[in-house]
Amino acid sequence: EVQLVESGGGLVQPGRSLKLSCAASGFTFSNYYMAWVRQAPKKGLEWVATISTSGSRTYYPDSVKGRFTISRDNAKSSLYLQMNSLKSEDTATYYCARHSTYYGYNYFDYWGQGVMVTVSS
Amino acid sequence: EIVLTQSPTTMAASPGEKVTLTCRASSSVSYMHWYQQRSGASPKLWIYETSKLASGVPNRFSGSGSGTSYSLTINSMETEDAATYYCQQGSSYPWTFGGGTKLELK
Repeated sequence: EVQLVESGGGLVQPGRSLKLSCAASGFTFSNYYMAWVRQAPKKGLEWVATISTSGSRTYYPDSVKGRFTISRDNAKSSLYLQMNSLKSEDTATYYCARHSTYYGYNYFDYWGQGVMVTVSS
Repeated sequence: EIVLTQSPTTMAASPGEKVTLTCRASSSVSYMHWYQQRSGASPKLWIYETSKLASGVPNRFSGSGSGTSYSLTINSMETEDAATYYCQQGSSYPWTFGGGTKLELK
């Protein structure tokens, strides 16, 4: 059974940093792209970052590019999201997700339970 | 960036009723994916590559569409189908989601 368990969320002041972690199990982690997707309170879903199997390629939308860094440790089956220069609009539940890229059909086939990040003074 | 617009934003359906949710893309995409999110839960992949049902999804659900117009249909609404449904395109980077349709039980 695929399991994705996020941790590291909490309350942080604007301009500060926070690092999220995701522990994966139930599949061969190193064979899959991985991603972070967020959801602001009472709002829709927003893709935040994706990383390739080896970690050599990363992808971000403009809203977080230059502030967020996705990384992975295949030996530990773990995914990370380093968030710097946090803004109030980054307040959201952050989901770790497995990113399926077969034949270029990019979608997110398994999701974690999510971790809440609140950016406020 | 491709913008996905879902309609309606909210709707209510009675048990047994046929339901159709729509997702329109600002530019043509090759396929569409759909997610179900029940209240307080994480999203789940529901339909992928436009018409393929994810594991465990009841066959009363179906997906169709092409180009800029896609839809998710429930043949006969059931209580457990009450949720928010999001479409997502993976054809063009950055990958984007629609704003969601909240489906309630009437």
